[in-house]
Amino acid sequence: AQTVTQSQPEMSVQEAETVTLSCTYDTSESNYYLFWYKQPPSRQMILVIRQEAYKQQNATENRFSVNFQKAAKSFSLKISDSQLGDTAMYFCAFMKPANFGNEKLTFGTGTRLTIIP
Amino acid sequence: EAGVAQSPRYKIIEKRQSVAFWCNPISGHATLYWYQQILGQGPKLLIQFQNNGVVDDSQLPKDRFSAERLKGVDSTLKIQPAKLEDSAVYLCASSSRAGKLFFGSGTQLSVL
Repeated sequence: AQTVTQSQPEMSVQEAETVTLSCTYDTSESNYYLFWYKQPPSRQMILVIRQEAYKQQNATENRFSVNFQKAAKSFSLKISDSQLGDTAMYFCAFMKPANFGNEKLTFGTGTRLTIIP
Repeated sequence: EAGVAQSPRYKIIEKRQSVAFWCNPISGHATLYWYQQILGQGPKLLIQFQNNGVVDDSQLPKDRFSAERLKGVDSTLKIQPAKLEDSAVYLCASSSRAGKLFFGSGTQLSVL
C-alpha cells in the first residue's frame, strides 16, 4: 500500500516571501501521479499542481512549483511571492494509474500554512 | 460548468441517530468518491463508484455505513447508528478522466 507523509503540521511565512512544504511517499510503483491540494476554510479541495512520475521536468503553475525527486521519493511544493489568499491546509496526495474508474487518491495528513500580513 | 454539490453543509446529531448526506457530481462524470476527513487528518476514501457500480468499499464500515448511487448520477451516504468517532467532514468528489478529481465543499458532521 502507498503511504504519504507530511512532516510539517504547521508553517507560517510573511506575505511576499517564499515557502516550501515537504512531502515524502512510499511506493513500489514506477509510474504514478502526485498532487498538491489546497483546502481553505470553505473545505473544498482545490487542485494546486500535478506531477506525472515519468516526467523528469518539475511541474509549475504560476507561483507554485514542485521539486520532484523520484529516487528519494520526495515531492515538495514551493510557493513564491506568497499571498494572504494562500492561507489554507495543503495536502500532498498520491495516485497509482489504473483502469479508468479504479484510480484513487491517498492523502497525507496535511500542513497548515498561514501567511502573515 | 457547475461544480460538485453537497448537502447539508452542517449536521449535528446525537449518537445512535441516523444521518444521510447527498452528493450531485459534475454532469457526465462517471466516477464518484466519498471521503471521510477527521479533524487533523487527511481525507480517507470510504467508497468509490463507477457509474452505479461499486469499485472499492474496502474501508467503509459496512455495519453502520451504506451508500448508493442512483442511476449513476446522484449519491447518498448514510450512517445508522452514528457513533462519536463518526464526527468528521464528508467530502464527495467526481472524475471524468484519470487523475482529475473535483471536490465538493463537504458536509461537517458533529455527533454529540
